[in-house]
Amino acid sequence: KAGVTQTPRYLIKTRGQQVTLSCSPISGHRSVSWYQQTPGQGLQFLFEYFSETQRNKGNFPGRFSGRQFSNSRSEMNVSTLELGDSALYLCASSPDPYTANTGELFFGEGSRLTVL
Amino acid sequence: GQQLNQSPQSMFIQEGEDVSMNCTSSSIFNTWLWYKQDPGEGPVLLIALYKAGELTSNGRLTAQFGITRKDSFLNISASIPSDVGIYFCAGQRGRNRDDKIIFGKGTRLHILP
Repeated sequence: KAGVTQTPRYLIKTRGQQVTLSCSPISGHRSVSWYQQTPGQGLQFLFEYFSETQRNKGNFPGRFSGRQFSNSRSEMNVSTLELGDSALYLCASSPDPYTANTGELFFGEGSRLTVL
Repeated sequence: GQQLNQSPQSMFIQEGEDVSMNCTSSSIFNTWLWYKQDPGEGPVLLIALYKAGELTSNGRLTAQFGITRKDSFLNISASIPSDVGIYFCAGQRGRNRDDKIIFGKGTRLHILP
């Protein structure tokens, strides 16, 4: 069974640009969550999608947005990049949250974004 | 907002030593989770705890769900080199659709040769 796939793995952008990151969940998983990981703050919750709907949202500015497609694949977008947006962005999938809400998240390897 | 306080931030130990780390919160959580992140990888679930007072083992790892529901502990016995990595606690206040999983800042484990 293929794991969670995130693309691209690495990218470099400059301030003011925008970026789109992609996540393909494990087959059959319908929930996708996004986290930002930085050395000082650990894993910060961005948002969660289920059945193409945003189910939950963390405390990030509106520059951070996401969406989920009918095949459960998800994308997140960051507009007007700032230096502080440099981080590892992790995507995690889980089975149907209404029937299997065990808290187990299956993470991808992440997309490492560097903003210059 | 909800916060999990994880300590210590980092540990330097000798191979073979036992390790203890903990996670506390000012709020009650109904699920506690422990994840490990190897370098260059995403976190992987080690142990999940669902009941106050629960003690669960996974090989050399043992975790406990604190009786107050505001803390959890992870112990690693007889550490080996592959235990190196970042250990995250995570909690979920409830089990309904609105309860996101939040993470502590991690404990980075180093093993000295």
